[in-house]
Amino acid sequence: EVQLVQSGAEVKKPGESLKISCKGSGYSFPTYWIAWVRQMPGKGLEWMGLISPGDSDTRYSPSVQGQVTISADKSINTAYLQWGSLKASDTAMYYCARLLRYCSGGTCYLKQIDYWGQGTLVTVSS
Amino acid sequence: QSALTQPPSASGSPGQSVTISCTGTSSDVGGYNYVSWYQQHPGKAPKVMIYEVIKRPSGVPDRFSGSKSGNTASLTVSGLQAEDEADYYCSSYGGNNNLVFGGGTKLTVL
Repeated sequence: EVQLVQSGAEVKKPGESLKISCKGSGYSFPTYWIAWVRQMPGKGLEWMGLISPGDSDTRYSPSVQGQVTISADKSINTAYLQWGSLKASDTAMYYCARLLRYCSGGTCYLKQIDYWGQGTLVTVSS
Repeated sequence: QSALTQPPSASGSPGQSVTISCTGTSSDVGGYNYVSWYQQHPGKAPKVMIYEVIKRPSGVPDRFSGSKSGNTASLTVSGLQAEDEADYYCSSYGGNNNLVFGGGTKLTVL
């Protein structure tokens, strides 16, 4: 059974750093891309970026480029999302998700998310 | 990349059908057959209901169906049931390794 298990809720102060995790099991972790998706309180889903755990190829949404770092350690089947200096506006639920990526003729496409983690609530407040 | 446009709300009585639209551009919805629909109940993670415009994962009732015409994709829920009440989000490949989501539609079963 495919599972993505995320680390627990965090409460942080503005300016603090944070790294949350997403551990995959039940499939070949290096083979599938992992996406990170943000959901601010009462708002919709927003794609943040993705990583290929096999070779750590990483792509970011223009809206978060430079604000967060996505990484992975394939030896322990875990992907990470980290902040160097949190802001109150980073308060949100963060989901990791398994992403199916298809390549043909030198062009790659992001097909769909098929499995989601349970989410990690990050609260940033002074 | 702009979010896809969904109506903020939709509703129907048990047994009825309801359709939720998702409008993008030729750079996302209209350009690729990689539109997905996700159901999210309060306090829960999203769950994929439709992928590649029309395909249904195993375990998803056939009351859920997807379609696309031009730059607009649609999710139809037939034979509405109480448990269908949830938020629904569309997503599409947006080119250049970008994924774009819709703003979400709150489906109410009256």
